[in-house]
Amino acid sequence: NAGVTQTPKFQVLKTGQSMTLQCAQDMNHNSMYWYRQDPGMGLRLIYYSASEGTTDKGEVPNGYNVSRLNKREFSLRLESAAPSQTSVYFCASSEPGSTDTQYFGPGTRLTVL
Amino acid sequence: QQPVQSPQAVILREGEDAVINCSSSKALYSVHWYRQKHGEAPVFLMILLKGGEQKGHDKISASFNEKKQQSSLYLTASQLSYSGTYFCGTEMEYGNKLVFGAGTILRVKS
Repeated sequence: NAGVTQTPKFQVLKTGQSMTLQCAQDMNHNSMYWYRQDPGMGLRLIYYSASEGTTDKGEVPNGYNVSRLNKREFSLRLESAAPSQTSVYFCASSEPGSTDTQYFGPGTRLTVL
Repeated sequence: QQPVQSPQAVILREGEDAVINCSSSKALYSVHWYRQKHGEAPVFLMILLKGGEQKGHDKISASFNEKKQQSSLYLTASQLSYSGTYFCGTEMEYGNKLVFGAGTILRVKS
């Protein structure tokens, strides 16, 4: 039982390059999330997926796209990376309910030059 | 609306107590607390629901004052392992997404 896994762990891009961050969970959760974490700003929600086949914008969606490939996998794509997207990206999953605990992956540290 | 956490940082010696606060300007349904150690993912600590009881396990507990829209996390007799950044996440209605505070950095020294 690996929980939530993310790939890659580290990535360096040049401005304008594209890439996809991968996330998978093996807890059979319906909901999945992508957050970015910047110093002094906490965790900000980029996109989320309440269930397979649905996605919705969060607080900071500009410059990103997502795909809920199946119940297990939720990917985040940067089409044209910008230095402002330098951040640590966390994927999380949860099972909606009164507790709705979110389980986080180990994170991807992305640097855009 | 991002909740406000205070203090921003606190340094303790082992055995000392600490309180971390999380305040919202809007009515809340729930408050979630997470701890993140350096270079790691956030880990869930506890959730407090509107109308629910104070939660706690071992020497970490929390309360939720619905009238003030404020939650407090209490760390008693702190240990070195308590060091990390503590985040509160607030939910205004059931099913809404969590909005996280900026975090409180806690450092416990021996």
